[in-house]
Amino acid sequence: SQQGEEDPQALSIQEGENATMNCSYKTSINNLQWYRQNSGRGLVHLILIRSNEREKHSGRLRVTLDTSKKSSSLLITASRAADTASYFCATDNSGNTPLVFGKGTRLSVIA
Amino acid sequence: DGGITQSPKYLFRKEGQNVTLSCEQNLNHDAMYWYRQDPGQGLRLIYYSQIVNDFQKGDIAEGYSVSREKKESFPLTVTSAQKNPTAFYLCASSPTGGGSPLHFGNGTRLTVT
Repeated sequence: SQQGEEDPQALSIQEGENATMNCSYKTSINNLQWYRQNSGRGLVHLILIRSNEREKHSGRLRVTLDTSKKSSSLLITASRAADTASYFCATDNSGNTPLVFGKGTRLSVIA
Repeated sequence: DGGITQSPKYLFRKEGQNVTLSCEQNLNHDAMYWYRQDPGQGLRLIYYSQIVNDFQKGDIAEGYSVSREKKESFPLTVTSAQKNPTAFYLCASSPTGGGSPLHFGNGTRLTVT
């Protein structure tokens, strides 16, 4: 079962611009996580935001969570060509079941 | 260096043959997972194990089998009963089960012809 749904499916921007990706989910969550996947590689955990948090920062990443709208956004500021990857959100629904991943957003940053 | 090792990176098999994908971790994590990824798709959970000698089916377990005899190892067998086995398989681990962040291996791309 897929809980998170990322939007847009694909995003192409110029280097230096900001990139915003959104994730919507259906049921209540304990936390929401964002992951990055370079082509042909495994996923790498970026950031975790708990259900009682509204915003979190990590370097050039900013994540927001709106539990009333069941949505989250990932903002990458001042993007670089090396940020080109797919980005996935994953939700922790109960604390004792595995994370459920969305289908991802493919980000292309053009130099 | 701690991490998860999946081998091999590429695997080719004929239809009708069983094949086993290896996943080893030296992170001392209790929980391990197998996901399948198809082109342009998200990750779908095949099996997971939160403790040695115990595992649970995920969303798409049919045609797959696993074992967890050691904490470090969680091999996945793709059986001939799996109708569409060609895919990218990802193994992951986490310190505990549930919602803790996952550490992923770099995947095995399986092609069955």
